[in-house]
Amino acid sequence: AQSVTQPDIHITVSEGASLELRCNYSYGATPYLFWYVQSPGQGLQLLLKYFSGDTLVQGIKGFEAEFKRSQSSFNLRKPSVHWSDAAEYFCAVGVAGGTSYGKLTFGQGTILTVHP
Amino acid sequence: SQTIHQWPATLVQPVGSPLSLECTVEGTSNPNLYWYRQAAGRGLQLLFYSVGIGQISSEVPQNLSASRPQDRQFILSSKKLLLSDSGFYLCATYLGSSYNEQFFGPGTRLTVL
Repeated sequence: AQSVTQPDIHITVSEGASLELRCNYSYGATPYLFWYVQSPGQGLQLLLKYFSGDTLVQGIKGFEAEFKRSQSSFNLRKPSVHWSDAAEYFCAVGVAGGTSYGKLTFGQGTILTVHP
Repeated sequence: SQTIHQWPATLVQPVGSPLSLECTVEGTSNPNLYWYRQAAGRGLQLLFYSVGIGQISSEVPQNLSASRPQDRQFILSSKKLLLSDSGFYLCATYLGSSYNEQFFGPGTRLTVL
């Protein structure tokens, strides 16, 4: 079965600083990979996704992520963080196949705090 | 485009009381639907999923049940709530052509006292 690990429970950065949130997955084949963001008390919003092709994917709000097969990683990056980026971020993996029924496995989440 | 409605937005219930949370989807037909629970510091846990009317699969044994009485309606229920049922409940739908990409509703905050 697939699994997702987000090693950092809580990250604090200053506004304008760069950001990298780590995500490692476990799956035997190429997975479908996602990053979602959740503001307090809200549902989840998709930031970006990787299915195949170019391993560097661009998302909304200036985020990007890079798929590294050799490291089983899909880290999320942003060159300059804004105060509005403070939220909880979830990495998720999905697998191909009819029996997957579109299910996703989520990491535990990383809470991002942004200092002015 | 799809829209997911969840009702109620917040709920405070005593231990031992029943529960019914509703999720309705607009803008799609015959969607796969999912219930997740988010407890503090524990990420998202998939509770149930449904691929059609009356078809429910449970991912983890628990005090909850789910039903799908209509194509775009998904209900989460309990006969007797436990303290451990507290959390944020999210309904999601699978965008079938998008490699497992899921679209989430706004959630329901349940507090069991």
